[in-house]
Amino acid sequence: DQQVKQNSPSLSVQEGRISILNCDYTNSMFDYFLWYKKYPAEGPTFLISISSIKDKNEDGRFTVFLNKSAKHLSLHIVPSQPGDSAVYFCAAIIYTGNQFYFGTGTSLTVIP
Amino acid sequence: DGGITQSPKYLFRKEGQNVTLSCEQNLNHDAMYWYRQDPGQGLRLIYYSQIVNDFQKGDIAEGYSVSREKKESFPLTVTSAQKNPTAFYLCASRALTGGYTEAFFGQGTRLTVV
Repeated sequence: DQQVKQNSPSLSVQEGRISILNCDYTNSMFDYFLWYKKYPAEGPTFLISISSIKDKNEDGRFTVFLNKSAKHLSLHIVPSQPGDSAVYFCAAIIYTGNQFYFGTGTSLTVIP
Repeated sequence: DGGITQSPKYLFRKEGQNVTLSCEQNLNHDAMYWYRQDPGQGLRLIYYSQIVNDFQKGDIAEGYSVSREKKESFPLTVTSAQKNPTAFYLCASRALTGGYTEAFFGQGTRLTVV
């Protein structure tokens, strides 16, 4: 059973606009959430994270929002750039569990 | 430079043969993980280890085996019992101290069984 879900397999956005990637989870015990970016035939690279005690975390053009009541998190990229084109995975972990659970990924295309 | 090294990047094997994928890290991380990526299925956990000489099965451990004889190394063997071994394999490591920490990934090994 998929505990972390990304329901949009793909997303296309114009350069300079906002990209919003969404992620839903089912396990209320998750207390740390991460976003990874992945290019084809490469390993994922860490982008940004948020703990369950926060509802927002920013790092430059990237902001992650967490809505615990809805079990939903989103990644906002503003402004979007062509180099942002990649597959984005969200992940969740229970601090004491040490096992990450990944979504199926969303392929973002930023159109110049 | 600190990081995780997976080798080889591409691997071809005949059906029925066991094959071992290498994963080495010099980040002094306690935990190491093996994931498998298939199209449209995200990353699925095969095995993970939090300490030397100890490891736990993930969601899809059948047909795979691992060892953790050194902190830096976590090799994965894909055995002939794995029914569909062709996939992209990713190794990761993570520090278990210092609060919430992210996993760092290697560059992956593409295994093709013919």
